[in-house]
Amino acid sequence: KNEVEQSPQNLTAQEGEFITINCSYSVGISALHWLQQHPGGGIVSLFMLSSGKKKHGRLIATINIQEKHSSLHITASHPRDSAVYICAVHNFGNEKLTFGTGTRLTIIP
Amino acid sequence: DTGVSQDPRHKITKRGQNVTFRCDPISEHNRLYWYRQTLGQGPEFLTYFQNEAQLEKSRLLSDRFSAERPKGSFSTLEIQRTEQGDSAMYLCASSLDGTGGQPQHFGDGTRLSIL
Repeated sequence: KNEVEQSPQNLTAQEGEFITINCSYSVGISALHWLQQHPGGGIVSLFMLSSGKKKHGRLIATINIQEKHSSLHITASHPRDSAVYICAVHNFGNEKLTFGTGTRLTIIP
Repeated sequence: DTGVSQDPRHKITKRGQNVTFRCDPISEHNRLYWYRQTLGQGPEFLTYFQNEAQLEKSRLLSDRFSAERPKGSFSTLEIQRTEQGDSAMYLCASSLDGTGGQPQHFGDGTRLSIL
């Protein structure tokens, strides 16, 4: 069982819809990352958070440390948001990232 | 900030050949990480460096794999006697700090295909 679980695995939505991607993890962490991966492989860091909520443009990330759960929200989704979104965690005392399997998001015009 | 650079972007080789990939991190970053990603999966940790010291290696890194960061700047990942199962995207990342206090910056990856 992966330490980091994401849902859904695949998500297709119409342009303009509100999107939520969930991430649950099983061990104590020092930080959680949300990453975006476009076809071709490059990964971009969207958020790094250890508590509360962060917002950048149409993207919002929240984390609940007690429940070991994080969500990534996209408001007013656009076809250019189509990508794989990956949740990754830094475990306490561990430098490496442990990744979820990703959520493939497709936004239809 | 020129970002993390990986070379080559794509490598196709026959089974049994040796391959070497290069990663140039962001210049002031002392941490450098190698990850491997197979199709439909999230990346998996392979190894990481603090400056020139290799501090951790995953069980995934068999004795056919070796990584170096000789001067604490660029790093190379070599795979000897490649096998079909080595086909994957090899990702490099760097950061200022390794404790979760700084984000990791990723390169575009090297996609390896073994014929």
